[in-house]
Amino acid sequence: DVKVTQSSRYLVKRTGEKVFLECVQDMDHENMFWYRQDPGLGLRLIYFSYDVKMKEKGDIPEGYSVSREKKERFSLILESASTNQTSMYLCASSIWGTTGTYEQYFGPGTRLTVT
Amino acid sequence: ILNVEQSPQSLHVQEGDSTNFTCSFPSSNFYALHWYRWETAKSPEALFVMTLNGDEKKKGRISATLNTKEGYSYLYIKGSQPEDSATYLCAFMVTGNQFYFGTGTSLTVIP
Repeated sequence: DVKVTQSSRYLVKRTGEKVFLECVQDMDHENMFWYRQDPGLGLRLIYFSYDVKMKEKGDIPEGYSVSREKKERFSLILESASTNQTSMYLCASSIWGTTGTYEQYFGPGTRLTVT
Repeated sequence: ILNVEQSPQSLHVQEGDSTNFTCSFPSSNFYALHWYRWETAKSPEALFVMTLNGDEKKKGRISATLNTKEGYSYLYIKGSQPEDSATYLCAFMVTGNQFYFGTGTSLTVIP
């Protein structure tokens, strides 16, 4: 079974703090993603990575950066947390599947509250 | 950003009822449509991947259909059970590896 783990389920940080959200997958997947989910909005893509040290901006990258130094680990960084970054953050990895398309596997999410 | 819509936003049904939800997506440049179930405190779990117009998929009491020409997919649950309570997400793929998610349908099955 594919396993995607996230470092924290719940996190409370103060405005202005630097925040690290870690994601690890154990299936040697090339592709990894960070999304955020807010009420009334779908999962929105923040950043994704096709390979080690590669990163691409998603739809809402402002205020975030990422790091992928090892294939299995993809970190999301909030350089200076703000209250509008209070959200549920989901990490995913993907691989080309037998269905003839990419298949995504998700972590359980980190609920971040910025006060 | 592509617009993927799901309706209804939330649904409460009695145990034993059958129900269905809709995912609407752009009808051009279709590549694949994914359905996920997301239970509280768990990871979203893949239900179906659909790639061909007219596709029908079934897993137990849950099934899905796909119409790429008109840009919609239906998810059906027959004889809902409390364990079916979850948020159901659809994700549309154009090409490559990028997924565009709908807002989800939150289903509550009342025992």
